[in-house]
Amino acid sequence: DQQVKQNSPSLSVQEGRISILNCDYTNSMFDYFLWYKKYPAEGPTFLISISSIKDKNEDGRFTVFLNKSAKHLSLHIVPSQPGDSAVYFCAASAQIIQGAQKLVFGQGTRLTINP
Amino acid sequence: DSGVTQTPKHLITATGQRVTLRCSPRSGDLSVYWYQQSLDQGLQFLIQYYNGEERAKGNILERFSAQQFPDLHSELNLSSLELGDSALYFCASSVALAGLQETQYFGPGTRLLVL
Repeated sequence: DQQVKQNSPSLSVQEGRISILNCDYTNSMFDYFLWYKKYPAEGPTFLISISSIKDKNEDGRFTVFLNKSAKHLSLHIVPSQPGDSAVYFCAASAQIIQGAQKLVFGQGTRLTINP
Repeated sequence: DSGVTQTPKHLITATGQRVTLRCSPRSGDLSVYWYQQSLDQGLQFLIQYYNGEERAKGNILERFSAQQFPDLHSELNLSSLELGDSALYFCASSVALAGLQETQYFGPGTRLLVL
């Protein structure tokens, strides 16, 4: 039962253009969503997050959009840079009990930015 | 650098053996989480400790156990190792204040190879 899905295993984008990474979830109890970036041989690095009470959050070149009715979120990177080439993971959480939080991750999307 | 440290970086061992992975959380973080990433898999939540107590459990095998010590560092013990246990093991930490949606910060991971 995969509660968080990233249906595109890979994405290739031209440098300077917009990269759009998508994520779908099934559990309506999720109330916090995060995007992580991962380079080979390193741990995931936090990029940006969004609470379920919002539909958009922006941080520099990164914007996350949340569509609760569609159970869908997306990460926009504008403009895309070669250093953005990495695997991007979408993650969702729901507080199980107070102070207990587990993240459910998607399978990841490998983004390649072409010069 | 997330501030989360993990040792060792690499571990090679044989089937049937027992290993211990170590994690030190970011300064001030009370909660530690363990995740497993197998080949071609997303990150799977294993277990969470908060201030020394187990707080949430995921898909953790009975052969695996964890603990969090008074200085808040955590250890993940893997015993009776099988070939399928070969994976990347990540530790993450967060402040884990009750009722807040929080970001987890990940360490660089330990790569375990069981031969």
